[in-house]
Amino acid sequence: DAGITQSPRHKVTETGTPVTLRCHQTENHRYMYWYRQDPGHGLRLIHYSYGVKDTDKGEVSDGYSVSRSKTEDFLLTLESATSSQTSVYFCAITSGLRGTDTQYFGPGTRLTVL
Amino acid sequence: GQQLNQSPQSMFIQEGEDVSMNCTSSSIFNTWLWYKQDPGEGPVLLIALYKAGELTSNGRLTAQFGITRKDSFLNISASIPSDVGIYFCAGQGGATNKLIFGTGTLLAVQP
Repeated sequence: DAGITQSPRHKVTETGTPVTLRCHQTENHRYMYWYRQDPGHGLRLIHYSYGVKDTDKGEVSDGYSVSRSKTEDFLLTLESATSSQTSVYFCAITSGLRGTDTQYFGPGTRLTVL
Repeated sequence: GQQLNQSPQSMFIQEGEDVSMNCTSSSIFNTWLWYKQDPGEGPVLLIALYKAGELTSNGRLTAQFGITRKDSFLNISASIPSDVGIYFCAGQGGATNKLIFGTGTLLAVQP
């Protein structure tokens, strides 16, 4: 258990509405990540953060933004949700001080966009 | 985006059988990781490999980092019903150092 919680765990929303998912960690990890998981695609990186206010894009960042105003929270925002963003979203952290250290995952958020 | 080729996609076996799955890539990785995911949960790390040729065990699980650094395999010996789940490989390294995941192997174990 890497001390990661995600909220909400489940959400149903309508196309065009804004959605924010929260990842919270209690162990002062520097690196945090957001992935989405879809059948046939495994896990794909959306955005990641290497420190407070330091973020960068992953391979599927279009339609998503992130913010990290304090070490323990990494927020993922869908400004205007679309049906293609229906997915399971996972937050992850690395246990060490380097971005190359092993990643540990949160329990996930299942998002349905109608 | 880049993905790893993971095989097989699914396996249906009897309790007590051994299982083998593997991942291959066209890119070289510095780290190979194997995760297991249960329904409704996040992936849980099983084994991490950091050197080419490295062979590491975790209970009934054994994984190896291929010599070419482009592949890895995971073996599960004497499978039990709680081994059911989806197993993912992941490689890290290259220009971005980001983690790249395989598409997963679904394992079903018949008691």
